[in-house]
Amino acid sequence: GEDVEQSLFLSVREGDSSVINCTYTDSSSTYLYWYKQEPGAGLQLLTYIFSNMDMKQDQRLTVLLNKKDKHLSLRIADTQTGDSAIYFCAESIVIGGSYIPTFGRGTSLIVHP
Amino acid sequence: ETGVTQTPRHLVMGMTNKKSLKCEQHLGHNAMYWYKQSAKKPLELMFVYSLEERVENNSVPSRFSPECPNSSHLFLHLHTLQPEDSALYLCASSQDGAGIGEAFFGQGTRLTVV
Repeated sequence: GEDVEQSLFLSVREGDSSVINCTYTDSSSTYLYWYKQEPGAGLQLLTYIFSNMDMKQDQRLTVLLNKKDKHLSLRIADTQTGDSAIYFCAESIVIGGSYIPTFGRGTSLIVHP
Repeated sequence: ETGVTQTPRHLVMGMTNKKSLKCEQHLGHNAMYWYKQSAKKPLELMFVYSLEERVENNSVPSRFSPECPNSSHLFLHLHTLQPEDSALYLCASSQDGAGIGEAFFGQGTRLTVV
C-alpha cells in the first residue's frame, strides 16, 4: 500500500470549513507537513506539525495529529475561492541517513460560490 | 520566486530524442531531488542527492539518468522515453539535517513524449 493516503477530491462552498484527512505509515517521522500546489506551480509548504504535538493553529489553518492512529488532518476555516488547489500530506522518511519528504496523491480542493 | 528554478517549463520530445531537464537552487541547500507527478498517482520520488552523492534511486528505468555536478545544480537526462513517461517533473531541494526538513520546489517541467 501507499505510505501516505488521502482522498482525491473535496468540494466545499465558499465560506464553509474544509477538512482534508490523511493517514501515514512512518511513526518515526519527526515532522508532518501539508503542502499546497496551485495550478501550473510546484508544491509549497503550507504548514507543519511537530510529531509530539496534537494540534497546531495558524490563522485559518488548524492541523490535528492523532499519532496513535497515524492520522493527520488539515482544517481550513472560511474557505475562499483562492484556496482551490491540490493539498498534499507528507511525512519524512529516512533514506541513506537523509530525511526525505514522502507525499500522498494529493487532495484537490474545489471551492464554489 | 521559490529559489528553485527549472528549465525548460515545457518539453515535447519524440521517443528517439535525447534531452535534459535542468534544476538550479540558490538557497544553499545540500540535498536535491527529482519527483515525477502523474495524474491520480502519488508524487513519485525518483532520485535523491545529498552532498552531491546519490542516496536513492527508486527503481527508476535507466532511460532516466540523473547528474549532480555540484550542490546547486541537478540534471535529469532523458533518452528513448515512452509515452507513459509524460508527466510533470518536479525538482526540490532542502537542507538535510537542519530545520524542519522543508522541501522547496521548482515549478516543474511538463514533459510530453510523442
